Amino acid sequence: AQKITQTQPGMFVQEKEAVTLDCTYDTSDPSYGLFWYKQPSSGEMIFLIYQGSYDQQNATEGRYSLNFQKARKSANLVISASQLGDSAMYFCAMRVIRANNLFFGTGTRLTVIP
Amino acid sequence: DVKVTQSSRYLVKRTGEKVFLECVQDMDHENMFWYRQDPGLGLRLIYFSYDVKMKEKGDIPEGYSVSREKKERFSLILEYASTNQTSMALCASSSRTGLHEKLFFGSGTQLSVL
Repeated sequence: AQKITQTQPGMFVQEKEAVTLDCTYDTSDPSYGLFWYKQPSSGEMIFLIYQGSYDQQNATEGRYSLNFQKARKSANLVISASQLGDSAMYFCAMRVIRANNLFFGTGTRLTVIP
Repeated sequence: DVKVTQSSRYLVKRTGEKVFLECVQDMDHENMFWYRQDPGLGLRLIYFSYDVKMKEKGDIPEGYSVSREKKERFSLILEYASTNQTSMALCASSSRTGLHEKLFFGSGTQLSVL
């Protein structure tokens, strides 16, 4: 069975500071992909970043980077230089090779303080 | 620009009513999904479809059914709505090509069953 764990229900960060959102996963599949999505108060789910289990380097997309530690089964999202518009729910998700769908964590609500 | 459109943003129904939620995608995707989002529980898969007329149960299919008569359209049906189905319903679609394929989401339908 696949499982995604996000242990931080809520996080606060000062504007322009960096923040790390934690995500650990569990699967017995050797091939998997890890995703992060952002959900603003408007409700739409916005794809941020992807990391494959065999990727040698950590993924980066602009101010987002994924700190992938395979041995520890963690895939933390790092947001650099936080902006007020980063205030949202953030979801970590995983897909395994045998499945078409994504398994989601319970999410972390990030609040950026001016 | 890719688009997943859900027929209603907000829906209020009474217990026992039959409810149809419609989702249309314009990306010619094979896979379509219905997720349910509840506070503190994240996103949980209700049903998904990998082709026209094909469907598979997700983690929480009880009380729901689905229909996919055309590739672009995926409907979620509540035969007899109950108060415990009050939640956000999110539709998504993806290509079937690999682990890295992200899900594209609609804006969600906030369903309230009274």
